[in-house]
Amino acid sequence: QKEVEQNSGPLSVPEGAIASLNCTYSDRVSQSFFWYRQYSGKSPELIMSIYSNGDKEDGRFTAQLNKASQYVSLLIRDSQPSDSATYLCAVGGTAGGTSYGKLTFGQGTILTVHP
Amino acid sequence: EAGVTQFPSHSVIEKGQTVTLRCDPISGHDNLYWYRRVMGKEIKFLLHFVKESKQDESGMPNNRFLAERTGGTYSTLKVQPAELEDSGVYFCASSQFLILGQGAYEQYFGPGTRLTVT
Repeated sequence: QKEVEQNSGPLSVPEGAIASLNCTYSDRVSQSFFWYRQYSGKSPELIMSIYSNGDKEDGRFTAQLNKASQYVSLLIRDSQPSDSATYLCAVGGTAGGTSYGKLTFGQGTILTVHP
Repeated sequence: EAGVTQFPSHSVIEKGQTVTLRCDPISGHDNLYWYRRVMGKEIKFLLHFVKESKQDESGMPNNRFLAERTGGTYSTLKVQPAELEDSGVYFCASSQFLILGQGAYEQYFGPGTRLTVT
């Protein structure tokens, strides 16, 4: 079992729709969770961080965390063609251990928003 | 505010040669990280500096890789001698601090160095 799993996609949604991206993780004591967006040939760009159970909204993006289910999701409302990219889920290291700063990444979900 | 910068952007070397990658973190960020993405695989952690000290080297693949961070500012990652499997994109990231009890904080990535070993 991979430490961080994402549906590889590709996920295709029409412009204006809601895109839903999912991620599960295996380390039950993980406490920090991040979503990055990566355009082809570019570096990962941090778009959301979430540390507590529930929802966190920032503009058109909503991150949802359920630690009991070890599940993180990202919703993109009113999807635009410019949102087409690979979305990476990253899980932070466990607090208290030496690897607390480490991020473990999923393989990414390719999102395509078509006009 | 300038972001994380990396040099060079591309490097092509022959097997057995040495390559040194450089990373300049965001000013004021004590935490510096190196990651690598090999073709078709997910981004993998290599190591974490807090200022000039190595906090976590658990991801370094072998002793051909040497990372340094002089004076807690920029960092270098040297690969000597390079092997074919070292090819990939090497990312550097930095973060301002870590939250006690929560672990990793927001990390900002540089543009990466694409290393090709032939």
